[in-house]
Amino acid sequence: SYELAQPPSVSVSPGQTARITCSGEALPKKYAYWYQQRSGQAPVLVIYEDTKRPSGIPERFSGSSSGTMATLTLSGAQVEDEAVYYCYSTDSSGDQGVFGGGTKLTVL
Amino acid sequence: QVQLQESGPGLVKASETLSLTCTVSGGSVRSRSFYWGWIRQPPGKGLEWIGRIYDSENTYYNPSLKSRVTISIDTSKNQFSLRLSSVTAADTAMYYCARVTTSGYSGFYFDYWGQGTLVTVSS
Repeated sequence: SYELAQPPSVSVSPGQTARITCSGEALPKKYAYWYQQRSGQAPVLVIYEDTKRPSGIPERFSGSSSGTMATLTLSGAQVEDEAVYYCYSTDSSGDQGVFGGGTKLTVL
Repeated sequence: QVQLQESGPGLVKASETLSLTCTVSGGSVRSRSFYWGWIRQPPGKGLEWIGRIYDSENTYYNPSLKSRVTISIDTSKNQFSLRLSSVTAADTAMYYCARVTTSGYSGFYFDYWGQGTLVTVSS
C-alpha cells in the first residue's frame, strides 16, 4: 500500500523557520496537502495543491513540492504553531487517500 | 459556511456494526462539486482515510477496510453515513466526517471537517 513518510518531530525556537518534509513516490504527479492538528482539535487545512494557502491561514505558512518530496515551511514560527502536522496525498491512481504519520512541531 | 456534525453511539460491542451519521448544513450533499468522506484517528495515533462518496454509484474505500465499510448518502436528509462491520478494539477511534474537494485528476482533499465523535469498541 502507498505510504507518505514524515519525520516524527521537528523543533525550532520562536521566530525561526521550521521545515517539515513529506516523501512519497506519487508526489511528482499528485498534489500534497498539509493539515495542522492542535491537541484535542480537528485537523485544519493549512496548504492545498502543494502551494496554496486557504483563506485565514497566516502568510508564514507556505508549501512547496519537488520530485518525490513536499515541504511545509513555517517562516517565523510562533508558539501557537505548536501542533502535529500531517501531509496528505493520493496514490498514483488518484482513488485512495493517504496521510503521512504526522510530525510534532515544538516551538520553544 | 459549510458545517458538518457527526452523530451516533459512542460505545459499540466487539463483533457488532459501528454506525455513524454526518449531518451537513450550509451546503448540499446533492452538490455535483464535492464528495463527502470519513477519516478516523485512534487515540494517540495518526489519521487514517476511510472512504468517500459522491453518489450511490461512486464510492471509494481504503483497501484495508474495504471488506467491512459502507458509506451511503441520504439526500432527503442532507446526510451521509458510515457503517463498519465486525468491529474490534482496533476500531476504537475518533471518527471525523468531512467535505471532499477534488483537484482534478491530481488529488482530492478534505476542506471542511466535523468536530469528530469518539467511538469505543468494548469487549
